Amino acid sequence: KAGVTQTPRYLIKTRGQQVTLSCSPISGHRSVSWYQQTPGQGLQFLFEYFSETQRNKGNFPGRFSGRQFSNSRSEMNVSTLELGDSALYLCASSPGQEGFEQYFGPGTRLTVT
Amino acid sequence: AQRVTQPEKLLSVFKGAPVELKCNYSYSGSPELFWYVQYSRQRLQLLLRHISRESIKGFTADLNKGETSFHLKKPFAQEEDSAMYYCALSGAGGYNKLIFGAGTRLAVHP
Repeated sequence: KAGVTQTPRYLIKTRGQQVTLSCSPISGHRSVSWYQQTPGQGLQFLFEYFSETQRNKGNFPGRFSGRQFSNSRSEMNVSTLELGDSALYLCASSPGQEGFEQYFGPGTRLTVT
Repeated sequence: AQRVTQPEKLLSVFKGAPVELKCNYSYSGSPELFWYVQYSRQRLQLLLRHISRESIKGFTADLNKGETSFHLKKPFAQEEDSAMYYCALSGAGGYNKLIFGAGTRLAVHP
């Protein structure tokens, strides 16, 4: 099976702009989780989507949002970008039920200038 | 509050030496604990989880609820073990909501 894919891999945006990142899970996986990785805060959970519904949410401001489509592909959006949003954004997919491993994508490197 | 602490940013050992990467957690319920590894230029991947009680690539980890620890051990380190290791916890927030520690970089020297 193909692994988790994320597009784009690299992105440069300006403060105040918005950005949309995409994640395609492994075929058959219904859960997609998003994480932000920064040198200062490490890996932090953003949210999880399962069958098009947000099932879990981390402690991030409302500028961070996401959605999941019927084919399980997921997008996350960040509005009104701030310099501190510069990070590696990882998504992970799993079948969705407890006990199953999460498989991570390569990440999207977002730089906000 | 749920928290995972990895006290060492860097652990440097020689090939053949024993390795122990420390992980302590804070969680009032029954946690699920994991070790994830990221080799150079590779994706983050699951190394092992406590419910499996298995040894992967010679690594083992035992959950000690009394000490709230989940240390990762290997008796004889290999150069190919050099990587970033993250301890993670899945608790009340849901199975797929992982709380990660800051990570420990393991460097194994020849």
